[in-house]
Amino acid sequence: ETGVTQSPTHLIKTRGQQVTLRCSSQSGHNTVSWYQQALGQGPQFIFQYYREEENGRGNFPPRFSGLQFPNYSSELNVNALELDDSALYLCASSNPGQAYEQYFGPGTRLTVT
Amino acid sequence: AQSVSQHNHHVILSEAASLELGCNYSYGGTVNLFWYVQYPGQHLQLLLKYFSGDPLVKGIKGFEAEFIKSKFSFNLRKPSVQWSDTAEYFCAVIGNTPLVFGKGTRLSVIA
Repeated sequence: ETGVTQSPTHLIKTRGQQVTLRCSSQSGHNTVSWYQQALGQGPQFIFQYYREEENGRGNFPPRFSGLQFPNYSSELNVNALELDDSALYLCASSNPGQAYEQYFGPGTRLTVT
Repeated sequence: AQSVSQHNHHVILSEAASLELGCNYSYGGTVNLFWYVQYPGQHLQLLLKYFSGDPLVKGIKGFEAEFIKSKFSFNLRKPSVQWSDTAEYFCAVIGNTPLVFGKGTRLSVIA
């Protein structure tokens, strides 16, 4: 069984640029959630996708957007990057019927300069 | 909106000492509670979870947590810590919103 994978591992972008982060969910999981973890903080919920539709969103501006594909992989897009967007971005997938048990990927470290 | 408070930012213990990490949440309705652990260089892993039933739940690696509804608490315990327990521990809750995490407690276990 393959776990949750994320790419890239690290990324450096300049303020104002756009970035796309990718996530492959664990085999059999159809729900994907994205979290932002700033240094010294716990993960903060960005949004969740279920069967290619957004299924809940945290307190993040519209420049944070996402997609889920038919194979349940997902993308997180961030436009007009700001310095405060520097963080570890975590993807988590969950099983049908066990949406509360989330399995996390290793994360993508984004640095905005 | 619900929130989670973890009282200790950094805990330092000697091997074989007992551990208790505090966690309080703010939501008054039905909750599902979790403890996650992040070992150095590894991703978040589920330690244990509470959905319903026995308020004392046991997780992996000898950890347990007790849900006390009247205190809105879900403290994590381990009778005897090992050096390998050195990690960041996060309490999380699902109530009327998706998973909300606390800020985490760093545990350092020294020989």
